[in-house]
Amino acid sequence: DGGITQSPKYLFRKEGQNVTLSCEQNLNHDAMYWYRQDPGQGLRLIYYSQIVNDFQKGDIAEGYSVSREKKESFPLTVTSAQKNPTAFYLCASSSRGGFGKLFFGSGTQLSVL
Amino acid sequence: DQQVKQNSPSLSVQEGRISILNCDYTNSMFDYFLWYKKYPAEGPTFLISISSIKDKNEDGRFTVFLNKSAKHLSLHIVPSQPGDSAVYFCAARGLNQGGKLIFGQGTELSVKP
Repeated sequence: DGGITQSPKYLFRKEGQNVTLSCEQNLNHDAMYWYRQDPGQGLRLIYYSQIVNDFQKGDIAEGYSVSREKKESFPLTVTSAQKNPTAFYLCASSSRGGFGKLFFGSGTQLSVL
Repeated sequence: DQQVKQNSPSLSVQEGRISILNCDYTNSMFDYFLWYKKYPAEGPTFLISISSIKDKNEDGRFTVFLNKSAKHLSLHIVPSQPGDSAVYFCAARGLNQGGKLIFGQGTELSVKP
């Protein structure tokens, strides 16, 4: 079954702590993305990667970091510099070219303790 | 500055009737528009898309209309079913921007039996 797996489903962060959200895909997609959803708002792009070992900042990259060492994996680290991290985080992937159709994971809800 | 706007946070429709969800945009350089459907605590799923060179695209009960002069698109669902109850996001893509989408705030559709 092809798809995107995000873990954990729920995550709690203490003050000053870095946390890492996992995202794995077996769709053989080149591009991967991290979006953030806040209540009553649309999804906003944090980081994206079009190819292994390369990634670019999205619209709200401050306080976040990513890596893309393998095609299948695109973990997101929420650092202590992100002052308002409570949100629903969504990982997505897409094939190269196309019209922007994204395949999303089921999301991670991050809350601050 | 919000480039994609969904001005109706919610919409309630009777089962069997038509649901019309609206979306406005400001950037005339968008080349594709997409609609996603999202259930609570899940990732969005792709519903339907339209190229900026077309004015209508249909897929079963779902039709998207694009009015470029008004910078407006709409999603029609006919007939509406209770299972259609979800949040619907409109998204737009800049020219050749892969999966870098700009999302509206979403409209929560409730279809009542």
